Amino acid sequence: DAKTTQPPSMDCAEGRAANLPCNHSTISGNEYVYWYRQIHSQGPQYIIHGLKNNETNEMASLIITEDRKSSTLILPHATLRDTAVYYCIVRGNRDDKIIFGKGTRLHILP
Amino acid sequence: GAVVSQHPSRVICKSGTSVKIECRSLDFQATTMFWYRQFPKKSLMLMATSNEGSKATYEQGVEKDKFLINHASLTLSTLTVTSAHPEDSSFYICSATPSGNVYEQYFGPGTRLTVT
Repeated sequence: DAKTTQPPSMDCAEGRAANLPCNHSTISGNEYVYWYRQIHSQGPQYIIHGLKNNETNEMASLIITEDRKSSTLILPHATLRDTAVYYCIVRGNRDDKIIFGKGTRLHILP
Repeated sequence: GAVVSQHPSRVICKSGTSVKIECRSLDFQATTMFWYRQFPKKSLMLMATSNEGSKATYEQGVEKDKFLINHASLTLSTLTVTSAHPEDSSFYICSATPSGNVYEQYFGPGTRLTVT
C-alpha cells in the first residue's frame, strides 16, 4: 500500500507556481520522499527526492516539514508541458521497489 | 539521466497468442529491473521484480506462469504475456536500478498491449 496521501487533482495557471502537497504521516526515520511525474502515455519521470532538508534542482523544489509528516513539491513557473500526474512516494534507503499511489493530476491552465 | 528503452512501443496480438516485451538499460548495468502494469486512468501497479541471474519475485495476485520474466543479462529483461486475453490489454512499463545504487530508478517509455 502507498504510504502517502495526495489530492486527486489540482489546477494551476500557466506561469504561476504550482504547489503540490503530500501527506506521509507514518514516514519513518530512514525513509526518503520521492516525487515522480507521468505525462500521458509515457513512463514516469524522476523529479526530486529528499530526506529532511529542503531540496532544489532544475525542475522543482521540495519542501519537507520539520516533523517530516508532509511535503510540498513546487514547480516555480508552471508551463503547459507540466500537465501530468504527480506521484509522491515514500521509500526506504534499503528499498528497491517503488509503490505508486494514486497521485495528483495537475492541470496547467493557459 | 540514464536511459531505459522498451520494445515494442505498442503491439496488437490475437487472443491466445503470446507476446514478448523487452526492457533495456542503454547506458548502465541494472542488477534489478521492475515491471509495472497500468490500466487507463489508474496508477502503476507493480507486477514483479526481476533480478539478473535469478528468478523473478512476483507481487501478490500476479500469475507467474502467465507473465514470464527473464533477466538474462545486466541490460535486458523481458516480459512475456502468455496466452493473452483481452483483459491483459494494458500499458506495461519497466524500470531499472543501476547496480549498486538503489536510490536511482529509471523508467522506460512503456508498451501499449492490445489483445483482440
